[in-house]
Amino acid sequence: SQQGEEDPQALSIQEGENATMNCSYKTSINNLQWYRQNSGRGLVHLILIRSNEREKHSGRLRVTLDTSKKSSSLLITASRAADTASYFCATDVQGAQKLVFGQGTRLTINP
Amino acid sequence: GAGVSQSPRYKVAKRGQDVALRCDPISGHVSLFWYQQALGQGPEFLTYFQNEAQLDKSGLPSDRFFAERPEGSVSTLKIQRTQQEDSAVYLCASSLAGWAQHFGDGTRLSIL
Repeated sequence: SQQGEEDPQALSIQEGENATMNCSYKTSINNLQWYRQNSGRGLVHLILIRSNEREKHSGRLRVTLDTSKKSSSLLITASRAADTASYFCATDVQGAQKLVFGQGTRLTINP
Repeated sequence: GAGVSQSPRYKVAKRGQDVALRCDPISGHVSLFWYQQALGQGPEFLTYFQNEAQLDKSGLPSDRFFAERPEGSVSTLKIQRTQQEDSAVYLCASSLAGWAQHFGDGTRLSIL
């Protein structure tokens, strides 16, 4: 079973616009990670935010974490056609090494 | 190697056959994970190794699924007496302890 839910399930925007995806989870975590998956490929790690952090930036990516609401958001600024992919949040449940993934957001960037 | 390598990339088997899926992790990564990803879903955890020790196999769906990592490097996921519901993409990931997991491109398994 999956721990988290991502919202929206699908998002379609124009190139150059910003894309925001949200993730909610259920249990206490050590950290939360975001991954990207292109069709037919494996997952690529984007960014990791630890439970004691509230915001983190990496290039055009901005991630926030609200542990009181058990939620996170991923913002991609100035989107490009190459950003078209599925995006997953994943949490590592405290006391375990495994990652628990949400169902993902399918992002389409229209040129 | 440069990344996690999985083979074969595609596998088609008849129902009832046994299959073996291979994962070559990034050199030096002590942690190795197997996940199962159904179409349109996020990956779901199957099992976890630290070096050669299988520390968590709570996600294996039945006793038909078996994984091993005998020398703490290459791992094999074996599925016996395959069934149609086993059709999925099987992803392998490796990591240094406590750091981000790096995924292979997966093996797409189709059971006819």
